[in-house]
Amino acid sequence: SQTIHQWPATLVQPVGSPLSLECTVEGTSNPNLYWYRQAAGRGLQLLFYSVGIGQISSEVPQNLSASRPQDRQFILSSKKLLLSDSGFYLCAWKGPGTVNEKLFFGSGTQLSVL
Amino acid sequence: GESVGLHLPTLSVQEGDNSIINCAYSNSASDYFIWYKQESGKGPQFIIDIRSNMDKRQGQRVTVLLNKTVKHLSLQIAATQPGDSAVYFCALFSNTGKLIFGQGTTLQVKP
Repeated sequence: SQTIHQWPATLVQPVGSPLSLECTVEGTSNPNLYWYRQAAGRGLQLLFYSVGIGQISSEVPQNLSASRPQDRQFILSSKKLLLSDSGFYLCAWKGPGTVNEKLFFGSGTQLSVL
Repeated sequence: GESVGLHLPTLSVQEGDNSIINCAYSNSASDYFIWYKQESGKGPQFIIDIRSNMDKRQGQRVTVLLNKTVKHLSLQIAATQPGDSAVYFCALFSNTGKLIFGQGTTLQVKP
C-alpha cells in the first residue's frame, strides 16, 4: 500500500534562517506531488505541484521554493524565512496520469518563525 | 475563478444526533467533489467523494449529496460520535486541474 512521510512534525526557526522540509512517498511510481500551506483556522492554499522529477509549478509568488530530486521525494525550501512563512505545511500525492482524483495528505509540519 | 464556500464555520451537535455540513461552489463545470476530515495537528483525511453523474453516495455513517442545479454539496454524518469532532473541508478540481478547498467547518460534538 502507498504511504506518505513528512518531517519534521514541528519546527521553530528564527527569521532569516533557511528551511528544508522533506516529503517522501512509498508504494507508487511517478506520483503527482503537492505542497500546501494552511494558516491557523483557514483552508489549504496550494503552493507547488510536480508531475515528475525536476518539474515544479509554482502557484503563488512567495519566499519559498520546491524541488523534486527523485521520483518520490519532494522538498520545500527557503533561503531566508520570514515571519509570514509560519503555518502548517502539508505534502500530498495522487496517482500518475489521473486528472480528477483524490489527494492523499501527509501528517504535516507545523512551522513557527520567530 | 472557481470558489468553494462553506455555509457555517462552526457546527455544534449533540452526540448521537445527525450532522449536516454544507458547501457551495461556483463552477458549474466541476465534476468531482471530495470531503476531507482534519483533526487538530494532522493532515486532512479522505472521507468520501462523488462525481457529477451521481447525486448521492453513501459510506459508513456518511452520505454525500450533490445538487448540481444549485451547485450545492453536503456531508451528512449519522449518529455523530465524539471522534467525529474535527474540521471538515469540501474540495473540488478547478478548470486547470488544481484541487481547491473551502475554508472548513469545525464540527463540535457535545457529550
